[in-house]
Amino acid sequence: DSGVTQTPKHLITATGQRVTLRCSPRSGDLSVYWYQQSLDQGLQFLIQYYNGEERAKGNILERFSAQQFPDLHSELNLSSLELGDSALYFCASSVDEASSGNTIYFGEGSWLTVV
Amino acid sequence: ILNVEQSPQSLHVQEGDSTNFTCSFPSSNFYALHWYRWETAKSPEALFVMTLNGDEKKKGRISATLNTKEGYSYLYIKGSQPEDSATYLCAFSDYKLSFGAGTTVTVRA
Repeated sequence: DSGVTQTPKHLITATGQRVTLRCSPRSGDLSVYWYQQSLDQGLQFLIQYYNGEERAKGNILERFSAQQFPDLHSELNLSSLELGDSALYFCASSVDEASSGNTIYFGEGSWLTVV
Repeated sequence: ILNVEQSPQSLHVQEGDSTNFTCSFPSSNFYALHWYRWETAKSPEALFVMTLNGDEKKKGRISATLNTKEGYSYLYIKGSQPEDSATYLCAFSDYKLSFGAGTTVTVRA
């Protein structure tokens, strides 16, 4: 158990709908990262927050948004869902930012299936 | 876009044999190199974080080396066991982790 908690573990929804994925980082971790893993794709970086502030954006679609709250949990919002959004979404956390060389711990992921 | 490349893509090892594989990454603006072990339907498990040129890390039968000047890292598995079967990911970090596609190791009993 990495200490990073993601909910829900599985989610099936229809095209056009909106979902929210939730992540609780490890206790004491200030950085939260979101990654997407689609079929036959590697782990693609979406977005990173540090202590409530957005720090970096990767290949995140405009239909997707995220935030990190004062209690440091984070939510990834996916809207106007398309079939191609079906993927495993990972949240990860670390004490400091990735450039510090701290270990980054991954949650078990949220499986999203869009039908 | 940071290119993190791993080779080979997959390999099969006989139980008891040792093996190694490579991660190459940009040698400029280096901060850290991470190795993860990833089993299907589980979360990536952190193995090592290496920051200094020449770093060597070891965890049980698994070890890793780092050459930041030439931009590569090796992961070694000594005396492979079936439970070592997994995908091994390396990731280069600046402000985020940029992952390679992984090396999938299958250990045959």
